[in-house]
Amino acid sequence: GAGVSQSPSNKVTEKGKDVELRCDPISGHTALYWYRQSLGQGLEFLIYFQGNSAPDKSGLPSDRFSAERTGGSVSTLTIQRTQQEDSAVYLCASSPPGQGALVGYTFGSGTRLTVV
Amino acid sequence: QQQVKQSPQSLIVQKGGISIINCAYENTAFDYFPWYQQFPGKGPALLIAIRPDVSEKKEGRFTISFNKSAKQFSLHIMDSQPGDSATYFCAASSLNTDKLIFGTGTRLQVFP
Repeated sequence: GAGVSQSPSNKVTEKGKDVELRCDPISGHTALYWYRQSLGQGLEFLIYFQGNSAPDKSGLPSDRFSAERTGGSVSTLTIQRTQQEDSAVYLCASSPPGQGALVGYTFGSGTRLTVV
Repeated sequence: QQQVKQSPQSLIVQKGGISIINCAYENTAFDYFPWYQQFPGKGPALLIAIRPDVSEKKEGRFTISFNKSAKQFSLHIMDSQPGDSATYFCAASSLNTDKLIFGTGTRLQVFP
């Protein structure tokens, strides 16, 4: 596709339920990133996939959070046993091979997660 | 992991005025400093960026000023327009990694 696609765009879930958020990056982009945007917290790094390298998971806030990237393309962010503090907009971005930060990330429009 | 501090949190400017947003960083390994612009309901998009080998970069009405010794950089929007109303994020990375560390964001409102 022409851009980074995220689904669903909105998700309301009950506390304690598991949720899966999906990201379809731009075709050919080898790097994929997940960020979380909360009021007053800016863009919080969660996890970064680059090609076949081991992902950088240093930003995942707890072991309830996990992510995978299948076939070097689509990525799924899973949050288990959701808590109210998980409510945020989850943004996915991708970048082309090489120095993606220099070229610029292309972000999706995000998934707004609300835990009630 | 807050390594980039951004201020102010919000900014209100009249049309035609100058908007100034400031950022400071701690990690001396950072060597690339982009700014991203985000409109409501959209993801952030790259606006302008600077490397530390220059002290200023200008693109149209947008200018980044960079002070390496103070570990600070700022975004100046000249002749601010209502269409500039958005949230602005500064960021930093080192070029041996593609991972960007973002600031907390500044919500800019430009009134006619």
